[in-house]
Amino acid sequence: AQSVTQLDSHVSVSEGTPVLLRCNYSSSYSPSLFWYVQHPNKGLQLLLKYTSAATLVKGINGFEAEFKKSETSFHLTKPSAHMSDAAEYFCVVSQGGKLIFGQGTELSVKP
Amino acid sequence: EAGVTQFPSHSVIEKGQTVTLRCDPISGHDNLYWYRRVMGKEIKFLLHFVKESKQDESGMPNNRFLAERTGGTYSTLKVQPAELEDSGVYFCASSQRREFPDTDTQYFGPGTRLTVL
Repeated sequence: AQSVTQLDSHVSVSEGTPVLLRCNYSSSYSPSLFWYVQHPNKGLQLLLKYTSAATLVKGINGFEAEFKKSETSFHLTKPSAHMSDAAEYFCVVSQGGKLIFGQGTELSVKP
Repeated sequence: EAGVTQFPSHSVIEKGQTVTLRCDPISGHDNLYWYRRVMGKEIKFLLHFVKESKQDESGMPNNRFLAERTGGTYSTLKVQPAELEDSGVYFCASSQRREFPDTDTQYFGPGTRLTVL
């Protein structure tokens, strides 16, 4: 069975500073991994996905993630946080089309 | 193009009552999924339709939950009778049917917040 673990339930950064949201995965084969974001009172929006092409994946709004097989990680980063980035972020692995979610990381951005 | 829509956005019912949630997927998407997030827990898969057929319902909690997808278009999820532990946010998602389902992008609706008192 596949799984993902988000290492932080809450991350707080100042506006303009880098963002790092950590995710480790467990999979018996090369996984398809996703990051989704949920802003308050909104649906889940896809940020980016990894499907065994390039290991560095660029997404929307300046986010990117790097697939590291040796570390079984798929951390999400952004060079400079914006107030509008405040939301909950989910690391997700696909198992035959069925999505398996991490616990979520709440990102707070301070002015 | 319209996204995935869900109705209602909120529902408050008493224990023992019946509630029906509706999801309209993106037009042309054969795959439709239901997920649920119970407070304090992660989002969990409930079931998957391909057109009107149930492909995988391994995540359905019990037989109080009944999902249908009429004519392969919209879907309903009925909870009867509702229990306190059914409270949570119910998400619907849809995707196009491709050769490798692991790589499909699922598009999510805004969710229905269900509160059972």
